[in-house]
Amino acid sequence: GAVVSQHPSWVICKSGTSVKIECRSLDFQATTMFWYRQFPKQSLMLMATSNEGSKATYEQGVEKDKFLINHASLTLSTLTVTSAHPEDSSFYICSARDQALTNEKLFFGSGTQLSVL
Amino acid sequence: AQTVTQSQPEMSVQEAETVTLSCTYDTSESDYYLFWYKQPPSRQMILVIRQEAYKQQNATENRFSVNFQKAAKSFSLKISDSQLGDAAMYFCALMDSNYQLIWGAGTKLIIKP
Repeated sequence: GAVVSQHPSWVICKSGTSVKIECRSLDFQATTMFWYRQFPKQSLMLMATSNEGSKATYEQGVEKDKFLINHASLTLSTLTVTSAHPEDSSFYICSARDQALTNEKLFFGSGTQLSVL
Repeated sequence: AQTVTQSQPEMSVQEAETVTLSCTYDTSESDYYLFWYKQPPSRQMILVIRQEAYKQQNATENRFSVNFQKAAKSFSLKISDSQLGDAAMYFCALMDSNYQLIWGAGTKLIIKP
């Protein structure tokens, strides 16, 4: 089945630094990728939708200058947390839609735990 | 606005017994999909079952089945013959026409041995 590879699985960084999270679709082309954030014991919160070759669409309340999303190819989308602060610590998950499929199937990455010290 | 409501923060069931997780939703769209996802301690999201709104027949996947009541906007998940490996957070989700998922708050399922 289709696989979305998300890296890193976990990252610890100092406050003020930037962190990049990658999501790759390994055996399909993903026109659309979704980025979520999940706090402990809570549900997923959609942060933004990225489409290959165009600007990402951010959900209300999500700072686009803080969370930079790039979807430069059909197999790679990245989320960069800029000038990270402790309140950015969270679990980040991506999901991707296979452009070859006309159905509703989404494939999820394994997530990235970000801890900002 | 589209919403998904899971009113059971936590459920527990004896191993080998049956448990039903509740989910209600609200949408103005006529064509949509509904999902149940499982998130075990590894936090990998795993698709359990999905239902197309235009299909009247309830979806079934082995021990997992749904009771889809479109008029009532209800979408419950029944797990039969519960196993220890079923212990996880279960999320109900609604997919809109932009393929975005609207998530419920989740239900933590505990399996008692």
